[in-house]
Amino acid sequence: AQKITQTQPGMFVQEKEAVTLDCTYDTSDQSYGLFWYKQPSSGEMIFLIYQGSYDEQNATEGRYSLNFQKARKSANLVISASQLGDSAMYFCAMRGGETSGSRLTFGEGTQLTVNP
Amino acid sequence: DAGITQSPRHKVTETGTPVTLRCHQTENHRYMYWYRQDPGHGLRLIHYSYGVKDTDKGEVSDGYSVSRSKTEDFLLTLESATSSQTSVYFCAISELGGIDTQYFGPGTRLTVL
Repeated sequence: AQKITQTQPGMFVQEKEAVTLDCTYDTSDQSYGLFWYKQPSSGEMIFLIYQGSYDEQNATEGRYSLNFQKARKSANLVISASQLGDSAMYFCAMRGGETSGSRLTFGEGTQLTVNP
Repeated sequence: DAGITQSPRHKVTETGTPVTLRCHQTENHRYMYWYRQDPGHGLRLIHYSYGVKDTDKGEVSDGYSVSRSKTEDFLLTLESATSSQTSVYFCAISELGGIDTQYFGPGTRLTVL
């Protein structure tokens, strides 16, 4: 069985500062993918960044980077230079290659608020 | 943005009535998924499809059925809606299975009274 844990129900950050959103995972699969999605108040789910279990380098997409520590089973999202538009719910998710079928397993999310 | 639309976007219905939600994609992706989102549960997979007429159950499939007669359309049916099926429903697509990225539609908010 797969499990995603996001321990921060809510986070606050000042505009232009960096923030780290925590995500730990549990899986018995050797091959898996880790994803972060953003859900603004308007409700849509926006894909942000992907990290494969065999990728040796941390993924980056613009101001987003994924701090992947395989031995610790963590996949934290780092947002640099926060903007007011970053205020949203953020979900960590994973998809296994062998045992999970095709489903994404989601955490319960972290509500990020960026203060001016 | 991935070309995914969902209809209707909002629906209010009564207990016991059948409801069908539609997901339409213009990306010609093979895989399509239906999730529901509830407070405290994140998103959970209901059913998915890996090709025309090829579907399989997810983790919360009871009370739901799906059909896919064309690559671009994936229908979710609640045979007899219950209040516990009040939720936000998301469709997603991916080009490949495995650990390929899934892209989500805008969601449908369903209220069952």
